[in-house]
Order: sequence, then structure tokens, then C-alpha cells
Amino acid sequence: ILNVEQSPQSLHVQEGDSTNFTCSFPSSNFYALHWYRWETAKSPEALFVMTLNGDEKKKGRISATLNTKEGYSYLYIKGSQPEDSATYLCAFCTTTSGTYKYIFGTGTRLKVLA
Amino acid sequence: DVKVTQSSRYLVKRTGEKVFLECVQDMDHENMFWYRQDPGLGLRLIYFSYDVKMKEKGDIPEGYSVSREKKERFSLILESASTNQTSMYLCASRHSGFDYNEQFFGPGTRLTVL
Repeated sequence: ILNVEQSPQSLHVQEGDSTNFTCSFPSSNFYALHWYRWETAKSPEALFVMTLNGDEKKKGRISATLNTKEGYSYLYIKGSQPEDSATYLCAFCTTTSGTYKYIFGTGTRLKVLA
Repeated sequence: DVKVTQSSRYLVKRTGEKVFLECVQDMDHENMFWYRQDPGLGLRLIYFSYDVKMKEKGDIPEGYSVSREKKERFSLILESASTNQTSMYLCASRHSGFDYNEQFFGPGTRLTVL
């Protein structure tokens, strides 16, 4: 059974704090790792797709790193703002017999306090 | 602005009713997906469709069926709703042309079965 774990489950930070959370996934049969942001009452939106070991991606104050050998990805938010409050999901993409399979973690729920 | 829409945000049905959840995308995507999300669990794939009139079972297809008669529309059907199908249902679509393409999600339908 393929398992994707995210930690912590939830966290509260003060506005201006930097924070990071983890997505752990199987280190074999890796194809891609997706990060999504899911704000309450909205649709999940893609942040990053990461494909190569050592990948680093950045979008504004948010960045992500990837280690496929050990099976983890970190998401960093620098100088958190209230609008960053959301659930952050990662999705591990693997291939089996030519078909793609996405396995989602349970998410990290971030609350940024003004 | 790309869009995936779902027919209802909230739905309340009774045990034994037949339930239709509709999803429409305007991006001409080939792939479409139905997930459910429950507390403490990641998004779980119910069914997906590679293209019109094609469907594949996901991880938890029992009690569900799907229909994809037109490219833009993917319907999830609960033949006889049960209380254990109370959940948040998310539809997603994806362009198949590039392997690393992200999924675009709808806003979700929160279904309650009484």
C-alpha cells in the first residue's frame, strides 16, 4: 500500500513568521510530486510540480524542495501572511503498467494569525 | 480563466436515493477525475476517465458509477445512496498532452446522506 504522509497536520503561526512542512512519500517508482493550496470554500490550486531529485521551485514567498532518494519534499513559506491560511496538499505521482496514479496526503492546515 | 464547475456546493439526500453529481470543465481536457475527501484521509480516487466514453475504476469505486458522454462533462452516480457516502466530493480535470500537467479542481460538493 502506497502511503503519503504530511506533517504537521495543522499549525498556527504569527503574521511575519516563516514556516515549513513536510510531505513524505515512497522512494521507489517516483514520477512527480505536486503541491496544491486549498483555501476554505475554494478549489485546490496547483502550486508546484516537481520531477527531479534536488528540484527547487519558488513562487513569491513560497518555495519547495524535493529529495526523491529519501522520499520527502519540504514546502517553505517566508514571512507568512493571513492570506496564506489554507490547507496545503501534496500528491505523489507514480506509474504502474503505463498508467499514472496520484496518491494524496492528508494535508497540512495552516492558520496565519494577524 | 480556466474553470471546473460542480453542479452543487451542498446536497442533502436520503438513504436509497439515486444521486447525480455533475462536473463540467471548459479547458478541453481529456482526463477527468472524481475524488472524495473524508476527515483524516487524503483525497481518494473513485473513478477517472482518460477521454470521452472511457472510464477506469479508482481506489474506491464500490457504490459508484460514472458517465462521460461529452468531453467537458463527467458525472458521478450514486445508484443507491448510503450514509457512508456522506463526504466531500471533488472533481478534477487534466490535459493529457504533457505528462507532468497538474490537475484543476472544482470547488467540491458536500453531500450528506440521511
